[in-house]
Amino acid sequence: EAGVTQFPSHSVIEKGQTVTLRCDPISGHDNLYWYRRVMGKEIKFLLHFVKESKQDESGMPNNRFLAERTGGTYSTLKVQPAELEDSGVYFCASSQVTGGLTGELFFGEGSRLTVL
Amino acid sequence: SQKIEQNSEALNIQEGKTATLTCNYTNYSPAYLQWYRQDPGRGPVFLLLIRENEKEKRKERLKVTFDTTLKQSLFHITASQPADSATYLCALDNYGQNFVFGPGTRLSVLP
Repeated sequence: EAGVTQFPSHSVIEKGQTVTLRCDPISGHDNLYWYRRVMGKEIKFLLHFVKESKQDESGMPNNRFLAERTGGTYSTLKVQPAELEDSGVYFCASSQVTGGLTGELFFGEGSRLTVL
Repeated sequence: SQKIEQNSEALNIQEGKTATLTCNYTNYSPAYLQWYRQDPGRGPVFLLLIRENEKEKRKERLKVTFDTTLKQSLFHITASQPADSATYLCALDNYGQNFVFGPGTRLSVLP
């Protein structure tokens, strides 16, 4: 069974450009999360999808970030326009719904974003 | 303010000894707490989950305790091996909304 896959593994862009990160969760996992780790800091929650609906987007830093999950399968996270402080590693995770937040999170390997 | 602290940024121990990692939290009331392992350049990997009504959970050489009075979880690795060297993260549920991660402890097991 394939795990959570993320693409690209590394992206280097100029400030002001746009980047789109993609996450393919484990098949059948309704829950999809985006997290990010900026240099030297802890992994921070960005948002949570249940199927195609945004359950919680309280961690999204500002309106330059747009996440979508059309059809409840893969998800994209677009940053437009990118700023220097957006540099970091963006992790996607998925989990099965087992009645509340009781399930383990399966993480992808992350997408490293470098904004110059 | 809400805070999660893990005992130290880095911990070095001798092979064969027991490693004990600490996770303390403030102003959270988690119903669940999880521990993850993260290797450099990789995503976190789930290890154990413990619920608020469970005092202790074991899995092979791993043991987790959860004390909601002290607001603390302890993570033990017995008979540690160099292959156990990694960063260990605690994560707790944030009022059922999402999981919040601690900063991690980088464990080095020396041969």
